[in-house]
Amino acid sequence: EAAVTQSPRNKVAVTGGKVTLSCNQTNNHNNMYWYRQDTGHGLRLIHYSYGAGSTEKGDIPDGYKASRPSQENFSLILELATPSQTSVYFCASGPHTYEQYFGPGTRLTVL
Amino acid sequence: GDKVKQSPSALSLQEGTNSALRCNFSIAATTVQWFLQNPRGSLINLFYLVPGTKENGRLKSTFNSKESYSTLHIRDAQLEDSGTYFCAAEDSNYQLIWGSGTKLIIKP
Repeated sequence: EAAVTQSPRNKVAVTGGKVTLSCNQTNNHNNMYWYRQDTGHGLRLIHYSYGAGSTEKGDIPDGYKASRPSQENFSLILELATPSQTSVYFCASGPHTYEQYFGPGTRLTVL
Repeated sequence: GDKVKQSPSALSLQEGTNSALRCNFSIAATTVQWFLQNPRGSLINLFYLVPGTKENGRLKSTFNSKESYSTLHIRDAQLEDSGTYFCAAEDSNYQLIWGSGTKLIIKP
């Protein structure tokens, strides 16, 4: 089974601070995704990547950057964190859009 | 409006009973996936569907692309079926559009 890990699992940040969420997958999948999940919403796509060096904007990219330095790693960067970015963030990887394997999630609180 | 609308938003069932969850699409969905987010927060893939029906144990799912809906049937509900069920549809841009989920509680 695909192994997707995320770090940190929990993070408390201050408004205006920089936050980096990391995701690692060990199954050589080309595609990786970052989602956020808020109460009352399903998962919403922030950024995704088709492979090392590629990043694409998802449905809600504002306030977020992404970095895919290697096949295995995909980071989500909040340059200036705001309380509205308090959420649970999921990373996923997969060989196709229709086959995604999810990490355990990162709970981010911005005070 | 919601491109992928799930119903009901919440459901409480007695153990051993059956239920049906539904997703309606306002997009031209090409494929559908169903996920279970368990009480620990983990997301588990249940089904990937092209138009048609799949069955796995007590779960059965149908995707009707012509009528733009998908259903997930749970037979003989067990306590471990509790959690939030999400459907996600693949659109013409090959992106997954997620519903808001159905929270299912199974009571003993």
